[in-house]
Amino acid sequence: QSALTQPASVSGSPGQSITISCTGTSSDVGGYNFVSWYQQHPGIAPKLMIYEVSKRPSGVSHRFSGSKSGKTASLTISGLQAEDEADYYCSSYTSSGTQVFGTGTKVTVL
Amino acid sequence: EVQLVESGGVLVQPGGSLRLSCVASGFSFSSYTMSWVRQAPGKGLEWVSYIRPGSSTTYYADSVKGRFTISRDNAKNSLYLQMNSLRAEDTAVYYCARDGGSGGEFDYWGQGTLVTVSS
Repeated sequence: QSALTQPASVSGSPGQSITISCTGTSSDVGGYNFVSWYQQHPGIAPKLMIYEVSKRPSGVSHRFSGSKSGKTASLTISGLQAEDEADYYCSSYTSSGTQVFGTGTKVTVL
Repeated sequence: EVQLVESGGVLVQPGGSLRLSCVASGFSFSSYTMSWVRQAPGKGLEWVSYIRPGSSTTYYADSVKGRFTISRDNAKNSLYLQMNSLRAEDTAVYYCARDGGSGGEFDYWGQGTLVTVSS
């Protein structure tokens, strides 16, 4: 199972909006509404930010939103803040019954 | 409060074996699918394996299939990963994670335990 494709880096200024893409195949992202997104700060375990494409867990800021079109899922961070600077990973359920992560995106707040 | 605490990570020689443990608390462990996810130094996340609540259903990434075995003891609220025939490329922080729903999202993670495979 190949990793989902994400841009290596995305940057934005405070207050701006950024979008991170996550491209897979019809056997994962395109075939199921089971895409999740994780935020990871250095040296700390990942944190679930979005699940089932667009649902936010309790306690996650409304500035984080998710969507999907075809084989590509997206995470949008609006009103970018300094604490949003981190690595972000998407993940999807697959037709094999397994999970696959994306390659990861480093978000930099300028 | 949900807590997952991993242990067992050490330095091991190539070809060696190791068992990781994860003790869960703060939720009904026996009702949840549990996973292992790893992260090589400076690299991305890689899903390794998961086990359904009843232990009868397990899945593995191709990279570890035939070498790693996931298991659980619901009476002890514990998850395990038996790692055999270890390779240098298995060097990583190994996280225990709870599957929060039918889609396989990981809603709680442990702090991780470092496994280093080197001679």
